[in-house]
Amino acid sequence: DQQVKQNSPSLSVQEGRISILNCDYTNSMFDYFLWYKKYPAEGPTFLISISSIKDKNEDGRFTVFLNKSAKHLSLHIVPSQPGDSAVYFCAATGNQFYFGTGTSLTVIP
Amino acid sequence: KAGVTQTPRYLIKTRGQQVTLSCSPISGHRSVSWYQQTPGQGLQFLFEYFSETQRNKGNFPGRFSGRQFSNSRSEMNVSTLELGDSALYLCASSLDFGRETGELFFGEGSRLTVL
Repeated sequence: DQQVKQNSPSLSVQEGRISILNCDYTNSMFDYFLWYKKYPAEGPTFLISISSIKDKNEDGRFTVFLNKSAKHLSLHIVPSQPGDSAVYFCAATGNQFYFGTGTSLTVIP
Repeated sequence: KAGVTQTPRYLIKTRGQQVTLSCSPISGHRSVSWYQQTPGQGLQFLFEYFSETQRNKGNFPGRFSGRQFSNSRSEMNVSTLELGDSALYLCASSLDFGRETGELFFGEGSRLTVL
């Protein structure tokens, strides 16, 4: 049972434009939500998180939005850069970490 | 400081064999968790250890087991390997389980191929 879902396996965006990665979850008891980035042959690295009591968290070019009523979060990357090309996993925490299946982002120069 | 170290990085086994993977967490981190990554399934939680005790376990069969030593190093074992066990196995460490900060530090993974 996939409690965290990323319905878009891949996304292509032109350099300089906005990348929007989406994630849906089913459990309203999750208290933290996170995004991780993974390059090939490397482990995932933490990118940004948001507490369930907030609806937005910003860190430089990265902003995460949380819509609790819709059980939906999104990651915005503005402006997108070729180095952002990677697989992005969203995750939620309860008694363990629940990860989505990942979205492969390609930023085209 | 040194990151999370996983060994071996790559290994090939045949069905029915068993395998042991090792993870050395970041110094000072007491929580170690393990994940299986397969195409289309994302990262599936296997188990989490804190101070040598298993605190949480994911939905995997009993063939998957683990342990943590007093120096926080952890091992996971998979017995009676099946073809479907072919995956990237990732270890992550954190000061605690990272629930409040959400921050896990991952190793590069051990790529297991079962033939």
